[in-house]
Amino acid sequence: KNEVEQSPQNLTAQEGEFITINCSYSVGISALHWLQQHPGGGIVSLFMLSSGKKKHGRLIATINIQEKHSSLHITASHPRDSAVYICAKIFTGNQFYFGTGTSLTVIP
Amino acid sequence: DAGITQSPRHKVTETGTPVTLRCHQTENHRYMYWYRQDPGHGLRLIHYSYGVKDTDKGEVSDGYSVSRSKTEDFLLTLESATSSQTSVYFCATAGQNYGYTFGSGTRLTVV
Repeated sequence: KNEVEQSPQNLTAQEGEFITINCSYSVGISALHWLQQHPGGGIVSLFMLSSGKKKHGRLIATINIQEKHSSLHITASHPRDSAVYICAKIFTGNQFYFGTGTSLTVIP
Repeated sequence: DAGITQSPRHKVTETGTPVTLRCHQTENHRYMYWYRQDPGHGLRLIHYSYGVKDTDKGEVSDGYSVSRSKTEDFLLTLESATSSQTSVYFCATAGQNYGYTFGSGTRLTVV
């Protein structure tokens, strides 16, 4: 059973578009991670957040604890943003559950 | 993935043979994890460790064992490899405040 749901599963966008990826979860959490996995396979942590909003460059992550929902936004998307974006919820004992990922392709 | 090294990066092995994957960290993180990643599934936890010689099973632990004799090393062993264990395996560590770091992955093919 997957306790973390992401949408959409696949997303194709034109360069410059504003992109939103959604993540919802069924049980309360300690924090939530957004991760990026490039075609080469490496996984990097983009954000960890437990409330509100965080911004790094063109990436913005928001979380609504009451609604059990988080979003990752990419402004002015670029082909180099093409990757799989994964959300993971964290709860007690440093336990993580991962979504299945959103595959993003940005076309020049 | 600075601070975490997985070895080997690629391996092809025959059904029925034992295989050991190694994860080495230089971050002195207490928590270490082994995940497998398969198409259509999120990363799934195989085993994790919360300290030297302290390990526990994850969601998909059958057919796998782990050992952690030092803080920096976490070994994953497939006792008798099967084709269903063909996958990409990721090691990860977690430090304070849930900081999370992944290794580069090991692509294992069981033929």
